[in-house]
Amino acid sequence: DVQLVQSGAEVRKPGDSLKISCQGSGYKFTTYWIAWVRQMPGKGLEWVGMIYAGDSETRVSPSYQGQVTLSVDTSISTATLQWNSLKASDSGMYYCVRLFGGKELDLWGQGTLVTVSS
Amino acid sequence: QTVVTQEPSLTVSPGGTVTLTCASSTGAVTYGSYPNWLQQKPGQPPRTLIYSTTNKHSWTPARFSGSLLGGKAALTLSGVQPEDEADYYCLLYSGGAHVFGGGTKLTVL
Repeated sequence: DVQLVQSGAEVRKPGDSLKISCQGSGYKFTTYWIAWVRQMPGKGLEWVGMIYAGDSETRVSPSYQGQVTLSVDTSISTATLQWNSLKASDSGMYYCVRLFGGKELDLWGQGTLVTVSS
Repeated sequence: QTVVTQEPSLTVSPGGTVTLTCASSTGAVTYGSYPNWLQQKPGQPPRTLIYSTTNKHSWTPARFSGSLLGGKAALTLSGVQPEDEADYYCLLYSGGAHVFGGGTKLTVL
């Protein structure tokens, strides 16, 4: 089966670092983009950024520039979203989603809930 | 930054037809905006129904269709089923960036 499986829920304090992951299986990982999307409770979807697994080309939304780092490890078919210093406002559900051609979405991960609280 | 606007809420009767739209603050939505339509039910991740304006995935029910209508992207549901009650989001590619609409809450009543 083709799927994206995300890492489990995380609880951190402000100022902590964090990495969440999204592992692809059942397809050639390096021929697709992976995007990250945030959703705060009861709110809509926000585009965080995207990374091409073939060469790690990265495009981050201006709202998230400097706040997050996107990376891939092709040896384990995994994309990662990373924060160096979390803020309470980084809390939310984070989804990864696969894109083909850089603009067409298909498969979504199940989501990772990030809670940042003192 | 482009703002993408959707109807906040719509209500449709079972078996009816409803059209959701997606407008861009920068002007007409075109095929070059690569509109995607997503469905999200409570407690679930989104599911992509339509990509590149009109294209369906293998899992997309036949009653869903995408188009351009009056300068907007449109998602039409024909023969609405109770299970179609959900939030629907459009995603546009504009000025080198991907931007979501605020979503439409579709009630089937």
